[in-house]
Amino acid sequence: KQEVTQIPAALSVPEGENLVLNCSFTDSAIYNLQWFRQDPGKGLTSLLLIQSSQREQTSGRLNASLDKSSGRSTLYIAASQPGDSATYLCAADNNNDMRFGAGTRLTVKP
Amino acid sequence: NAGVTQTPKFRILKIGQSMTLQCTQDMNHNYMYWYRQDPGMGLKLIYYSVGAGITDKGEVPNGYNVSRSTTEDFPLRLELAAPSQTSVYFCASSDDRSSYEQYFGPGTRLTVT
Repeated sequence: KQEVTQIPAALSVPEGENLVLNCSFTDSAIYNLQWFRQDPGKGLTSLLLIQSSQREQTSGRLNASLDKSSGRSTLYIAASQPGDSATYLCAADNNNDMRFGAGTRLTVKP
Repeated sequence: NAGVTQTPKFRILKIGQSMTLQCTQDMNHNYMYWYRQDPGMGLKLIYYSVGAGITDKGEVPNGYNVSRSTTEDFPLRLELAAPSQTSVYFCASSDDRSSYEQYFGPGTRLTVT
């Protein structure tokens, strides 16, 4: 059974800092790994999807990497802004069985 | 396009009552999903559907039922509500198994007392 863990559970950084969010998973036989953003009281917004054959994906200030052999993915956020404050969730997909981590709550202070 | 819509936004049920959570998407997506999210936790898959007439269980299906008679709609039925079903419920859809980008609805906050 796939288990997904995100560390740290919460992170507070000053504006402008570069930061890394971590995601680990126990079953490397994944189809893909997704990173989502969730604002308080809202649904999820997909940020990046990395397919199993890929090593990384980039969108603007976001870069996500995937290392299936070690069961790890990282989300790198460059030059953080207060608007980046949200909870970030990763999810590993094993053939229509999507398992989510509990998320990292990010606060970017002005 | 409205994307994925869910109704109601909030609901309070008494133990033993039943209700249906509605989910509709207007993107012609084949794949649809129901998740629940408990406080401080990630999402857990309840049921999913790969097309009209086809549904399958996810990680936590007990106490729920679904149907998929059209591409657009994927209602979630709760029979005999229990306090353990207090949660936020999210519906999502995606159109391509290989890209699998999921689009989420705003959620339904359900309290069972």
